[in-house]
Amino acid sequence: DGGITQSPKYLFRKEGQNVTLSCEQNLNHDAMYWYRQDPGQGLRLIYYSHIVNDFQKGDIAEGYSVSREKKESFPLTVTSAQKNPTAFYLCASSIVGGAGQPQHFGDGTRLSIL
Amino acid sequence: EDKVVQSPLSLVVHEGDTVTLNCSYEVTNFRSLLWYKQEKKAPTFLFMLTSSGIEKKSGRLSSILDKKELFSILNITATQTGDSAVYLCAVDGLGNFNKFYFGSGTKLNVKP
Repeated sequence: DGGITQSPKYLFRKEGQNVTLSCEQNLNHDAMYWYRQDPGQGLRLIYYSHIVNDFQKGDIAEGYSVSREKKESFPLTVTSAQKNPTAFYLCASSIVGGAGQPQHFGDGTRLSIL
Repeated sequence: EDKVVQSPLSLVVHEGDTVTLNCSYEVTNFRSLLWYKQEKKAPTFLFMLTSSGIEKKSGRLSSILDKKELFSILNITATQTGDSAVYLCAVDGLGNFNKFYFGSGTKLNVKP
């Protein structure tokens, strides 16, 4: 079955610690995205990538970093510079181009501060 | 500034009621508008709309887009408790690439 796998489901971060959230897809999609969702709010774009070795900042990139070394993988690092990291993080992928394509989402990672 | 606004923010209805959820947008280089349903985890795709006035329908759910007035509605008829979820509207709006702008969602609670 094709899909997007995010891990871990739950993650706890200590003060001053960097943590990395994993996102892997086997849909052969070129585009991948990271979103942050806070309670009662919609999705806010952190980073996105349309091709391997290239990515762009979204609306709330400060305190986060990404890499795109393989088409299938788009890990997100939440750095110690992100002072309010507690949120639900969603990874998504889509086909690039055409008349617009829907995004497919992983099941998310819930990050909390210890 | 590109934005997507959904209303109402939350809604409580009883089983059997019909509901209408609204989504208005101001997004340059509009390509499509999408509706998603989010229960506990991942949003699941419902509809993608690209043309004005053409209704998309799936069972009790339907949606339509008005590109002149820049809004879309999602209708759910004969609601069931399983329809309880957050409904997200997103607009794909960055030229040849897909950058999605999401609204804050409408939280629907269907009571028995």
